[in-house]
Amino acid sequence: IAGITQAPTSQILAAGRRMTLRCTQDMRHNAMYWYRQDLGLGLRLIHYSNTAGTTGKGEVPDGYSVSRANTDDFPLTLASAVPSQTSVYFCASSPGGEGEQFFGPGTRLTVL
Amino acid sequence: GQNIDQPTEMTATEGAIVQINCTYQTSGFNGLFWYQQHAGEAPTFLSYNVLDGLEEKGRFSSFLSRSKGYSYLLLKELQMKDSASYLCAVRDSNYQLIWGAGTKLIIKP
Repeated sequence: IAGITQAPTSQILAAGRRMTLRCTQDMRHNAMYWYRQDLGLGLRLIHYSNTAGTTGKGEVPDGYSVSRANTDDFPLTLASAVPSQTSVYFCASSPGGEGEQFFGPGTRLTVL
Repeated sequence: GQNIDQPTEMTATEGAIVQINCTYQTSGFNGLFWYQQHAGEAPTFLSYNVLDGLEEKGRFSSFLSRSKGYSYLLLKELQMKDSASYLCAVRDSNYQLIWGAGTKLIIKP
C-alpha cells in the first residue's frame, strides 16, 4: 500500500441499503477526513478524525457515520442510503490539523 | 456564512500565462491552499500561503492578500497537461478546509 486507498472504486446501490466505504492509509497520519464532491459544488466535509479514537462532524454529516479504531483505517457508513447520497466520496489524511491533505482515489457511489 | 468564490471555467492557450482568482469570506483564517484535480482523479496539492505575498514553485505561483480576502494562482508556460480543475481552499478557525467549487481550466493548442 502506498498512500491512501479506498474501496470500492465504484458502486451502484439500491435505496435503503447499508453501505460501508473503506479508507486505509499507510503514512501514519493522525488526521483523516471524508468528503463528498458534487458537480458545481466544492468538496464538503462529512466527518473527520483528528486522531485514533476520536471523530467529529463536518458540514454534511446527516445519514453518515464513521469510526476510527486505529490510525490506518477510517470507514464511512451509510446506514440507509438515499438517492441524494449519490456522489463521489474522497477520503483524505494529513499529519495533523495543519499541513496539506493527501487524497485517496475516490469512490463513485450511485444510489437508485 | 463561509464562502469561497472562483470562476467556473477559464480558457487559455498553450504556452501562455493564466491567473485564476479566489476570494474568500471565512470564520477565521489559518492558511490558503491550491489543489489541482484532473477529471476523474483525486485532488493533489499545489501550494500553500499563510502570509501575504507570492510563493513561487516552478511554473506555478500563488499570491495571498489577507486584508482583501484574495488569492490567485498563476500558471506560466501552459502545457496541455495543465488542463484540469483548480481548487481553492481556506483553513478556518476550526482548522477545517472550506473549499471553492473549483475552476475548470481548458488549454487550447
